[in-house]
Amino acid sequence: EADIYQTPRYLVIGTGKKITLECSQTMGHDKMYWYQQDPGMELHLIHYSYGVNSTEKGDLSSESTVSRIRTEHFPLTLESARPSHTSQYLCASTTAGTPTNEKLFFGSGTQLSVL
Amino acid sequence: GENVEQHPSTLSVQEGDSAVIKCTYSDSASNYFPWYKQELGKRPQLIIDIRSNVGEKKDQRIAVTLNKTAKHFSLHITETQPEDSAVYFCAARGAGGGADGLTFGKGTHLIIQP
Repeated sequence: EADIYQTPRYLVIGTGKKITLECSQTMGHDKMYWYQQDPGMELHLIHYSYGVNSTEKGDLSSESTVSRIRTEHFPLTLESARPSHTSQYLCASTTAGTPTNEKLFFGSGTQLSVL
Repeated sequence: GENVEQHPSTLSVQEGDSAVIKCTYSDSASNYFPWYKQELGKRPQLIIDIRSNVGEKKDQRIAVTLNKTAKHFSLHITETQPEDSAVYFCAARGAGGGADGLTFGKGTHLIIQP
């Protein structure tokens, strides 16, 4: 089934650890995005990619980095996690076509807790 | 850049009544206005959207209206049901296009009272 998958669903780690949040989509989308969201709060764009080897920073400053080596895969990495990174991270992708036809599809998210 | 204001932050209605959530935007060039529903612990899902060349759009119990002159758009849910309880986010996309051009509102917690 075409979908966008995120792993892990929940992650609890200690300060200073390096972590990678995985995101893969089988929807054939070129554009992918990472959003940060505190529970029930607004979504903030932290990274996006228009295709392989294309990555851009979003509106919200983030200490994370991303890579896009394969179309379907868009992992997010935190080199040294801190308690301020505790949040939900949502991966998303959009349909191809003209910008006005793009619809955003979200993954189930990774809830990160840094102790 | 675009600024989207969403009101109210919390809305409680009796089951069967109607609910209205309002958003305003600042960029007169914005041309696409989606609404997302996020149930507790789940991913946001697109429920309805409207483009700037249309004033109203309906899909069963939900409808969205757009007033370009006043730069505001609203979500209307009629005959509310318990499964409508969720956080609703409006968004506006600037003329630059792409989901990176989407600005979200802060969300409305809709509570359906039995």
